[in-house]
Amino acid sequence: DTAVSQTPKYLVTQMGNDKSIKCEQNLGHDTMYWYKQDSKKFLKIMFSYNNKELIINETVPNRFSPKSPDKAHLNLHINSLELGDSAVYFCASSRGLAGGHYEQYFGPGTRLTVT
Amino acid sequence: AQSVSQHNHHVILSEAASLELGCNYSYGGTVNLFWYVQYPGQHLQLLLKYFSGDPLVKGIKGFEAEFIKSKFSFNLRKPSVQWSDTAEYFCAVIPNILPGGGNKLTFGTGTQLKVEL
Repeated sequence: DTAVSQTPKYLVTQMGNDKSIKCEQNLGHDTMYWYKQDSKKFLKIMFSYNNKELIINETVPNRFSPKSPDKAHLNLHINSLELGDSAVYFCASSRGLAGGHYEQYFGPGTRLTVT
Repeated sequence: AQSVSQHNHHVILSEAASLELGCNYSYGGTVNLFWYVQYPGQHLQLLLKYFSGDPLVKGIKGFEAEFIKSKFSFNLRKPSVQWSDTAEYFCAVIPNILPGGGNKLTFGTGTQLKVEL
């Protein structure tokens, strides 16, 4: 059974378009995250939600808007896509709040390519 | 804010060789430490974690890591690597202070390990 799933796995789109990435976890976790992995494999947190409440909002452009309809889902909508948005986006979840004794479980990633 | 350094960016080993990947972090308070592995084309998987207690932690697939608080280090080791260990390895640190969950998991830049037959 897939614990943290993301769709789509690959996304190729043109500059200026709007796209969404969906994430679902079936682990019963309370906290979900979005990370961005750049071309040099560097991973950085973007957002964190706990029970549908935004907990972490890193300095990302406001073209990126996360939405958590329930605690099992965390979607990422990106407006006016730019070349620099090309990256792999990972969703993750954890049982409790970040910083507690909980590890994060990662999804398979969505490779976004903006042309 | 915390930071994580992984000194070896690329490591090439022959099968059966021993492995040690360095990880140092900078943060003055209590932290939780992790090593994640990313096999080619796959998602991150947890290898091992340290929260408290015995500083020598054992993980999956024969990996272990030792937390040395005085050196702010959490090096990953494996006595004998296999070809299937070829992957990217990430050290990660999260402080354990903010009760509201604002603690951020910070990753190192990763070490690409290639094991040759």
